[in-house]
Amino acid sequence: NAGVTQTPKFQVLKTGQSMTLQCAQDMNHNSMYWYRQDPGMGLRLIYYSASEGTTDKGEVPNGYNVSRLNKREFSLRLESAAPSQTSVYFCASSANYGYTFGSGTRLTVV
Amino acid sequence: GDSVTQMEGPVTLSEEAFLTINCTYTATGYPSLFWYVQYPGEGLQLLLKATKADDKGSNKGFEATYRKETTSFHLEKGSVQVSDSAVYFCALSDQFQNSGNTPLVFGKGTRLSVIA
Repeated sequence: NAGVTQTPKFQVLKTGQSMTLQCAQDMNHNSMYWYRQDPGMGLRLIYYSASEGTTDKGEVPNGYNVSRLNKREFSLRLESAAPSQTSVYFCASSANYGYTFGSGTRLTVV
Repeated sequence: GDSVTQMEGPVTLSEEAFLTINCTYTATGYPSLFWYVQYPGEGLQLLLKATKADDKGSNKGFEATYRKETTSFHLEKGSVQVSDSAVYFCALSDQFQNSGNTPLVFGKGTRLSVIA
């Protein structure tokens, strides 16, 4: 039982490049989330998907887009990366107040 | 909007000392409350949770009681070990907005270092 799988684990981008962070869960959860973690800031919500076919903005959505591809997969796209997007990104899924987190993607934008 | 405030760290304790990490919250509905732990280089793991007032969550010697009157959910452990060194996050999920699938709102985290 893999839980929540994020790829890649590490990535270095140049300013202006684009990339997609992938997230998949195998627990049949309806809801999925993307957070970013920055030192001293805790985890801040970027986007979430309460159920397949819906997405909503969180606290810090600017510079990001998301796609809920199906019930299992929820991707996060950076169209034009900026140094301010250097962070650790966590995907999570939930059902009935059971939230499961992936192991994170450490992204550096230079 | 909903928010979580937890004591700033870092907190440094000697092994076997008593630990308290304070957490207070603001929510519009009737939130469920959580403590997550993040060990160095890893993701977040659920430590404990409580879903209604006066509930006590407990796990691995850690405890926290949901106090609605003081809007608090303080984390405690009677005797910490070096292996407890990690970052601890208090979080809430507001039941009022939806039934079970609202995003977690996190505090900023408290880094705990336990020295032998």
